[in-house]
Amino acid sequence: QQQVKQSPQSLIVQKGGISIINCAYENTAFDYFPWYQQFPGKGPALLIAIRPDVSEKKEGRFTISFNKSAKQFSLHIMDSQPGDSATYFCAVPNTGTASKLTFGTGTRLQVTL
Amino acid sequence: NAGVTQTPKFRVLKTGQSMTLLCAQDMNHEYMYWYRQDPGMGLRLIHYSVGEGTTAKGEVPDGYNVSRLKKQNFLLGLESAAPSQTSVYFCASSRDREIDEQYFGPGTRLTVT
Repeated sequence: QQQVKQSPQSLIVQKGGISIINCAYENTAFDYFPWYQQFPGKGPALLIAIRPDVSEKKEGRFTISFNKSAKQFSLHIMDSQPGDSATYFCAVPNTGTASKLTFGTGTRLQVTL
Repeated sequence: NAGVTQTPKFRVLKTGQSMTLLCAQDMNHEYMYWYRQDPGMGLRLIHYSVGEGTTAKGEVPDGYNVSRLKKQNFLLGLESAAPSQTSVYFCASSRDREIDEQYFGPGTRLTVT
């Protein structure tokens, strides 16, 4: 079974700070690495994804950095805002049978004033 | 366009009772998924479907059954509920591959006493 290790489990950042969440994986069916964002009481929603022919993808304040040799990728949230307070999940396409993503265990981010 | 809807939103069952969770999507997506979310465990795939009339086991299928008789609907059944099945259940759909964005429903909170 695909292993995806996500850290930290929880994170408290001051407003305006940088939030960094990391994921490490063992194997992947192909290079596609999404991050999902979940607000309390809601379902997860795709935040940003990378299909790395490049090592970094940026969308606004959110950036994915990817290190293929280390099998790691990370989410950086610049100028973190209280509205970013949510749980974040990384995901990796499972090897073997198609049509599956394996999700990380989640990082609960709290951005304080 | 309602996206992905789930019924019911909340349910309390007694051990041994049965129930069916209904998921519906109006985006004409081929792929549909059922996940459960537990604290510290992230999202774990129960069953999934790659098209009408097809189903397949995910990571944690025991104690659950599914059916996809119509493309837009994906049903999750618990034949004999156990306290270990207390969880939040999410349905999701994607266009035609796991690298496509997964759209999640709002979740069903199930408690088994």
